Amino acid sequence: GQSLEQPSEVTAVEGAIVQINCTYQTSGFYGLSWYQQHDGGAPTFLSYNALDGLEETGRFSSFLSRSDSYGYLLLQELQMKDSASYFCAVQRGSTLGRLYFGRGTQLTVWP
Amino acid sequence: EPEVTQTPSHQVTQMGQEVILRCVPISNHLYFYWYRQILGQKVEFLVSFYNNEISEKSEIFDDQFSVERPDGSNFTLKIRSTKLEDSAMYFCASIEGGGTNEKLFFGSGTQLSVL
Repeated sequence: GQSLEQPSEVTAVEGAIVQINCTYQTSGFYGLSWYQQHDGGAPTFLSYNALDGLEETGRFSSFLSRSDSYGYLLLQELQMKDSASYFCAVQRGSTLGRLYFGRGTQLTVWP
Repeated sequence: EPEVTQTPSHQVTQMGQEVILRCVPISNHLYFYWYRQILGQKVEFLVSFYNNEISEKSEIFDDQFSVERPDGSNFTLKIRSTKLEDSAMYFCASIEGGGTNEKLFFGSGTQLSVL
């Protein structure tokens, strides 16, 4: 089986930086993705890491350490619209599109 | 950006009834998926579909579930005899298959309520 652990809630103020951690246990690890979901709407792809290191996309960055089975999503210059749920998801093997999601982290950004 | 379209957005049905959830994936995508999310819980994989056949399914996807791509654009999920525990948001998703294969494009979902 597999398990993913991420905090259930995080709060921060506008303009701040927040890091959402994700630890995973799985066989056949291939890559780690992050998705954003507003109020039960469509999950939206944010980033993907298959190799160790940092991937940067605008205000969002994602990090992976395969040896530690650990990744994080870093959100900078927080805005109110970043309030949402953030899910890490593991891809096992090279099978496209079959992801195992964590339970999600509810981020609340305060003014 | 192109979108995955799902209809209806809400579906209410009686236990034991059949429902069909409909999806129009992005036109040049080759891989199609159904996921579901029970209220307040994580998103769970149901089934993947490629080249007109199921490529993988989870333990959730039992004999009550079926998928079909009846024409070149639609992708459907049928639940033959709904149960209370089938109440969830059902998301259709697709992947291009030729380029950015790690990016799943999700539709806005169909909220299924089984009474």
